[in-house]
Amino acid sequence: DSGVTQTPKHLITATGQRVTLRCSPRSGDLSVYWYQQSLDQGLQFLIQYYNGEERAKGNILERFSAQQFPDLHSELNLSSLELGDSALYFCASSAQGLLNEQFFGPGTRLTVL
Amino acid sequence: SQQGEEDPQALSIQEGENATMNCSYKTSINNLQWYRQNSGRGLVHLILIRSNEREKHSGRLRVTLDTSKKSSSLLITASRAADTASYFCAAAWDYKLSFGAGTTVTVRA
Repeated sequence: DSGVTQTPKHLITATGQRVTLRCSPRSGDLSVYWYQQSLDQGLQFLIQYYNGEERAKGNILERFSAQQFPDLHSELNLSSLELGDSALYFCASSAQGLLNEQFFGPGTRLTVL
Repeated sequence: SQQGEEDPQALSIQEGENATMNCSYKTSINNLQWYRQNSGRGLVHLILIRSNEREKHSGRLRVTLDTSKKSSSLLITASRAADTASYFCAAAWDYKLSFGAGTTVTVRA
């Protein structure tokens, strides 16, 4: 158990819909990262937050957005969903930044029908 | 595009043998990390090697880093069935962690 929690574990929805994925980092970790893992794209970095502020952006679509709240939990919002958005979405946290290891949550499996 | 690229894509070995996988990356890095993923589950951090380090050990794991060749290798010694998993290298640069496509390792009993 990494100490990072993600909800829900599974999500099935239809094209065009909007969903919110939630992540609680390890106690004391200030950085939260979001990743998307799919068979064709592999593991892609989406976005990083540090203590509530956006720190870095990766291959995140404009239809996706995220935020980190004062209690350090984070949410990833995916809107106007397409079939190709079906993937595993991982959240990870670390103590400070990239100089440290990241601890991954169990992931949310999103299926868009 | 992905920074790290692993080689080989897949590896099948007998229990007790060593497994070696390689990773290449494209730009300057802060550090290089290796992770393990069991089928469909979250990634588990294995080892981190900083850009000014050349070799690091952790239990049965040995990692090397050659910044001049922009490459790293992960060696797992005396493999066990429980080592069956996908292994990813991740290059840390510019506030991002960029993962390779992974090496799938199967350890046969």
